Amino acid sequence: DTGVSQDPRHKITKRGQNVTFRCDPISEHNRLYWYRQTLGQGPEFLTYFQNEAQLEKSRLLSDRFSAERPKGSFSTLEIQRTEQGDSAMYLCASSFSGTGLHEQYFGPGTRLTVT
Amino acid sequence: DQQVKQNSPSLSVQEGRISILNCDYTNSMFDYFLWYKKYPAEGPTFLISISSIKDKNEDGRFTVFLNKSAKHLSLHIVPSQPGDSAVYFCAASEGRRRDDKIIFGKGTRLHILP
Repeated sequence: DTGVSQDPRHKITKRGQNVTFRCDPISEHNRLYWYRQTLGQGPEFLTYFQNEAQLEKSRLLSDRFSAERPKGSFSTLEIQRTEQGDSAMYLCASSFSGTGLHEQYFGPGTRLTVT
Repeated sequence: DQQVKQNSPSLSVQEGRISILNCDYTNSMFDYFLWYKKYPAEGPTFLISISSIKDKNEDGRFTVFLNKSAKHLSLHIVPSQPGDSAVYFCAASEGRRRDDKIIFGKGTRLHILP
């Protein structure tokens, strides 16, 4: 078990460019979550998947954001036409729904800087 | 509207003493509470949790207390060690929700002094 991994760890991009992040959850976990964290704040929920189905999206997730989990394993988060306000840490977490517990396990995050 | 509030942005505690981190919540539908610890440049790490049917849960040096009537929980670390210096996030979820969405507080930065 290697835990949740995210790639890249850091991304610097110019305003208006598109970026894509990848998350690989813990292998037996069927749920995958994306969060965003800005300075001085806790992680804020963006969206979540159960297997390959995207079941909920936060209103924080504008039309420029899209997430996929095509085979119910890894997930990608794409931001189109990036804006400076998108600069944040993007965190991925996974969990298994069958335990009755609510703990989510986080990856190290991808820090996005939009210049 | 902050549903989970950590009103102390930072806390300094002498090594070996008790660290007490506090958290308040406003949503009465929350019935599962978690504490996460975060080091710089890492993702949050799950520390300990408590269900609303309990008022205390203990795991080694870490104990979480829940006061439902006051909508308040606290994390006690005894004894505090240098490696405990980190940001601690209080978090909550509504167990009846199928998505297990977690709502986080803003965090408290704990400094353990030598």
